[in-house]
Amino acid sequence: LAKTTQPISMDSYEGQEVNITCSHNNIATNDYITWYQQFPSQGPRFIIQGYKTKVTNEVASLFIPADRKSSTLSLPRVSLSDTAVYYCLVGERNYGQNFVFGPGTRLSVLP
Amino acid sequence: DTEVTQTPKHLVMGMTNKKSLKCEQHMGHRAMYWYKQKAKKPPELMFVYSYEKLSINESVPSRFSPECPNSSLLNLHLHALQPEDSALYLCASSQGPAEEAFFGQGTRLTVV
Repeated sequence: LAKTTQPISMDSYEGQEVNITCSHNNIATNDYITWYQQFPSQGPRFIIQGYKTKVTNEVASLFIPADRKSSTLSLPRVSLSDTAVYYCLVGERNYGQNFVFGPGTRLSVLP
Repeated sequence: DTEVTQTPKHLVMGMTNKKSLKCEQHMGHRAMYWYKQKAKKPPELMFVYSYEKLSINESVPSRFSPECPNSSLLNLHLHALQPEDSALYLCASSQGPAEEAFFGQGTRLTVV
């Protein structure tokens, strides 16, 4: 499994765009990149998944450069309710591998 | 219904007790997962069931025993646990390996 590295924590202010980068230098050809959000005492919640270039949904964008050795989760105009831990997962699309969590980034959104 | 329901929400058990955690989903998902999460740490994968068969056991001690009675239910039987097993136990399900996983709210387990 590709090892992932994320910043331990980040601070932002309401209304700003937040970019969280995940490094995965030994990502394999068949690996996908998935991001989850977790609030305290709750289960993680899927945000977005991608393989290359850019993926966008109603809550976030995922940017993946051509070499795929990193990825950036972009949250537009964050609010206080976006304060959570964000996990980057990298693995093949088979049961188990795609659901091994990295260390996570604790995002604090300040008023 | 996009819910994964876990019961109980909280559990306190002694080291000699036997208890079970229950997880249920009615989304028709064919994969179900157990995770253990300690405070301020990421969830750690314990078991994966695919089509009701155990496909992954991440070297979990035998005092944790999973069971998948049918495609909607997943149990985790607990016996002779240690205080260090106290954690949040999360259940998840997914339609397929490429699909997003849906997580339950977890069971907060305390071993005394």
